[in-house]
Amino acid sequence: GNSVTQMEGPVTLSEEAFLTINCTYTATGYPSLFWYVQYPGEGLQLLLKATKADDKGSNKGFEATYRKETTSFHLEKGSVQVSDSAVYFCALRGGGSYIPTFGRGTSLIVHP
Amino acid sequence: DADVTQTPRNRITKTGKRIMLECSQTKGHDRMYWYRQDPGLGLRLIYYSFDVKDINKGEISDGYSVSRQAQAKFSLSLESAIPNQTALYFCATSALAGSDTQYFGPGTRLTVL
Repeated sequence: GNSVTQMEGPVTLSEEAFLTINCTYTATGYPSLFWYVQYPGEGLQLLLKATKADDKGSNKGFEATYRKETTSFHLEKGSVQVSDSAVYFCALRGGGSYIPTFGRGTSLIVHP
Repeated sequence: DADVTQTPRNRITKTGKRIMLECSQTKGHDRMYWYRQDPGLGLRLIYYSFDVKDINKGEISDGYSVSRQAQAKFSLSLESAIPNQTALYFCATSALAGSDTQYFGPGTRLTVL
């Protein structure tokens, strides 16, 4: 079946530091890949997505590139802010299943 | 107004009680989902429904049941609540299978004493 593995947290950074959160997946075919963000006390919301190999999703300064050869979709941001503190979930849909598959989430804490 | 709403937002109950969590959406989506979130375990799918007449079990459906009263409403019930059902519960919707985005409600924090 499909699976998503993302780095364990928490990830703790100082403001303006570079962020990478690793995500790798297992799926058949060509799934769509997503990053969702959950701010404290809220539900998940879509941050960005990519639907085919080599696509780059981007939003709010975050980027992730769909790498078929390495089955990865790593999330990056060049300069994090305190307001980016949240839990980030990597997910996939498709790849032979109608059911979405989520990673376990990575908590990001950004200090001033 | 929020597109996906959940009621109640917080609930404390006792072991053995029957509890219903409700979800409503105004997005016009056919597909609805119930998840629970536990620290360190991420999101786990409880039930999902692809239309009003379609109900499917997810990976952790034991101890739960659902009802799809209309396209816009999807309720989750705990027939006899137990303490290990203490968790954060999310409802979500999506328009299509395959690559489409999910839209989440704000969550219900349930505590079973």
